Amino acid sequence: ETVLTQSPGTLSLSPGERATLSCRASQSVSSSYLAWYQQKPGQAPRLLIYGASSRATGIPDRFSGSGSGTDFTLTISRLEPEDFAVYYCQQYGNSLSITFGQGTRLEIK
Amino acid sequence: QLQLQESGPGLVKPSETLSLICIVSGGSISSSSYFWGWIRQSPGKGLESIGNIYYSGTTYYNPSLKSRVTISVDTSKNQFSLKLNSVTAADTAVYYCARLRGSVYDRGYFDSWGQGTQVTVSS
Repeated sequence: ETVLTQSPGTLSLSPGERATLSCRASQSVSSSYLAWYQQKPGQAPRLLIYGASSRATGIPDRFSGSGSGTDFTLTISRLEPEDFAVYYCQQYGNSLSITFGQGTRLEIK
Repeated sequence: QLQLQESGPGLVKPSETLSLICIVSGGSISSSSYFWGWIRQSPGKGLESIGNIYYSGTTYYNPSLKSRVTISVDTSKNQFSLKLNSVTAADTAVYYCARLRGSVYDRGYFDSWGQGTQVTVSS
């Protein structure tokens, strides 16, 4: 099973700043199969990025994803108040196996 | 617009079976482009994939839960279901159903989620 480790656990930033979230895999992940989600309290996760770098429908272009192999990054170029939430990466492996990272909490500084 | 809605008991006794249904509307569960999955989230914790199913009945289960999980699909009712037996307090969580992209060239991520349902295991 591929383990995803996200860092930092908590990121404290101010609106307007740039956020960089990391997701590291225990073994190589196909870029096609790495996704990012945003979750706000009391809500289901929302797909942000799939295929490591493709934005989902309706996602603002301040969200971008990059990376390959075992290291992936989610970047939010200029934080808006609504961006403060928990972010998860997720990988898809052989035979439909799916694992999530433990999450990064993005909080207002 | 696709909608998924989980339903089932909010309280289950220890050692009994947790049963949930996900009703899919606004799209066909028999589409060849998708799988359908269950994910759970324990209090204050992250997301855990439980398993996935294709409309044909092909399944994948998380190895850590495989011995206790059954996921099935009913294409006539456009719904799929989850059964988790021998539950303990550790199975207390919010349970989500979701659509998993599964075509050859576009797969491996959940693009639509239900709102989630809280299931508590307690006597």
